[in-house]
Amino acid sequence: QVQLQESGPGLVKPSETLSLTCTVSGGSINSYYWSWIRQPPGKGLEWIGYFYYSGSTNYNPSLESRVSISLGPSKNQFSLRLSSVTAADTAVYYCARVAMTTAVTDWGQGTLVTVSS
Amino acid sequence: SYVLTQPPSVSVAPGQTAWITCGGNNIGSKSVHWYQQKPGQAPVLVVYGDSDRPSGSPERFSGSNSGNTATLTISRVEAGDEADYYCQLWHSSTDHVVFGGGTKLTVL
Repeated sequence: QVQLQESGPGLVKPSETLSLTCTVSGGSINSYYWSWIRQPPGKGLEWIGYFYYSGSTNYNPSLESRVSISLGPSKNQFSLRLSSVTAADTAVYYCARVAMTTAVTDWGQGTLVTVSS
Repeated sequence: SYVLTQPPSVSVAPGQTAWITCGGNNIGSKSVHWYQQKPGQAPVLVVYGDSDRPSGSPERFSGSNSGNTATLTISRVEAGDEADYYCQLWHSSTDHVVFGGGTKLTVL
């Protein structure tokens, strides 16, 4: 059973870059789609983007100009970078695994990131 | 972009059946997945591929998909089923993941 764990700062200043890392255990990153999904307080789920182990990426068009998802820093980790953040980026951020069925089969517990000065 | 439309809320009495819909253009040609999310917890997959249940998902949860509407059916509703439910699909023409807006299920 694969497990995912998000880590990173819980507070980011406006206009700065949000950076989170997801550590994957109990399975290899060398397959599947690895995704970031967020949920603003009291609101619904929003897909941010994913990377495929081969190196390809795909992002939500509404965030594409500010987001980057990549493998690393370690081989069992993948990362999210979201630049020029505002209060609207305050959310619980989940890392997740998308199976070949295209369903999100595994989720991290989520980490709350607040954008505030 | 592809849009999935869910009713904001559905209410049902214990022991009855709840139907939660997910509308989208020709959604019947796509593979729809459903998630249950309880307060303070990560979502959990309850139905995938329109109507399959992952290991651990109760038999009371079932799904169907045809035309412009996919439906999650919860039979013999229990108090513990009270949660937010989200539909999701993979939009193959863009390879984007799309979520519905979510439905809050209230057990009366």
